[in-house]
Amino acid sequence: QSVLTQPPSASGTPGQRVTISCSGGSSNIGGNYVQWYQQLPGTAPKLLIYRNNQRPSGVPDRFSGSKSGTSASLAISGLRSEDEADYYCAAWDDSLSVVFGGGTKLTVL
Amino acid sequence: QITLKESGPTVVKPTQTLTLTCTFSGFSLSSSGAAVGWIRQPPGKALEWLALIYWDDDKRYSPSLKGRLTITKDTSKNQVVFTMTNVDPVDTATYYCARGSVSTNHAMDVWGQGTTVTVSS
Repeated sequence: QSVLTQPPSASGTPGQRVTISCSGGSSNIGGNYVQWYQQLPGTAPKLLIYRNNQRPSGVPDRFSGSKSGTSASLAISGLRSEDEADYYCAAWDDSLSVVFGGGTKLTVL
Repeated sequence: QITLKESGPTVVKPTQTLTLTCTFSGFSLSSSGAAVGWIRQPPGKALEWLALIYWDDDKRYSPSLKGRLTITKDTSKNQVVFTMTNVDPVDTATYYCARGSVSTNHAMDVWGQGTTVTVSS
């Protein structure tokens, strides 16, 4: 059972905008920054968003993150077939550890 | 270019100790703010954070596994060693090491390719 809660699946058609939610608590999302990772099939995770809404160099601006209270969201606009992947949220927790969400499998229809 | 690569046994027997090495290049773990962490992923399941070591040798462990884990660094060799004692078949997973940083608030910005470990007698 993951500490952060994500929907197990999400879907959209090419060009659409989809959002993935991540719910936590005051000890993690509520008081710390959120990260998002993309894991393409058979590959290692890749950092998409850090500090709630910052994109590392090379990540398209189609990907955006936001946080409100103890929840966070990842939005993907202009959905493409290559965005089909698993997405994970994560955050530092006051227990001095990083906690992950259970992951959301995004299907591009 | 920053790279990390995990190495270690592919099969470990139950109750044994698992030792994995992360060999990295392109950054120094003696630089202020740098960190290297370990994360695992059982087959078909979610990511699970395990441990983190900082440039100043401070260490953090998953609370649920803390008594079984040890993380150390050898700055001269650009390596981080991770050990897990008393392994069980539920520890079967792909184990990743990744670079973290205080400046990105523990976001892991570069990952290794992962190494698959099976716990089986």
